[in-house]
Amino acid sequence: AQSVAQPEDQVNVAEGNPLTVKCTYSVSGNPYLFWYVQYPNRGLQFLLKYITGDNLVKGSYGFEAEFNKSQTSFHLKKPSALVSDSALYFCAVRDRRSWGKLQFGAGTQVVVTP
Amino acid sequence: NAGVTQTPKFQVLKTGQSMTLQCAQDMNHNSMYWYRQDPGMGLRLIYYSASEGTTDKGEVPNGYNVSRLNKREFSLRLESAAPSQTSVYFCASSGDGETQYFGPGTRLLVL
Repeated sequence: AQSVAQPEDQVNVAEGNPLTVKCTYSVSGNPYLFWYVQYPNRGLQFLLKYITGDNLVKGSYGFEAEFNKSQTSFHLKKPSALVSDSALYFCAVRDRRSWGKLQFGAGTQVVVTP
Repeated sequence: NAGVTQTPKFQVLKTGQSMTLQCAQDMNHNSMYWYRQDPGMGLRLIYYSASEGTTDKGEVPNGYNVSRLNKREFSLRLESAAPSQTSVYFCASSGDGETQYFGPGTRLLVL
């Protein structure tokens, strides 16, 4: 079985400050990990993924995420948040045998204040 | 490229009515997916189609049926709608079985 936990329902950050959105996962074997963002009344947009290789993954809009196997975490980070980063962020995981079956976290609402 | 399109955008049904949600993608992707999104629960997979001609159940398939009409189109049918099926429905497609691309969603209200 695979599962994802996003421990924070909401993250508040001031514009210009670093942004971190936490994600921990549980899978059997090596994971595929993803981050998606959802703006109001829109579908999900892909931000980045970890499949293999370098533990630090860079994605769209200045976001990056670090895969930590020992802590089973894949936290999303941005060095300097923008007001336009305010959105709902989803972490997702699948194990390498569960072809196509992504397990999504409940989502974290990010609010960036000017 | 329109990407993934979904129709309708919004629908109100009465309990027991049926309807079909349509999804089409123009990215020549092999696999397609249907999810539902409920507050505080993230997205849950209803059905998916790994390739044209195949469909499989996801996490929450009860009360739904799907049809992979061709490579482009993947429809979701509610035969007898229930209030518990009030949700936002998203279709997605993938070319590599990893990264999924989502449509804008269909908001469904079942009274």
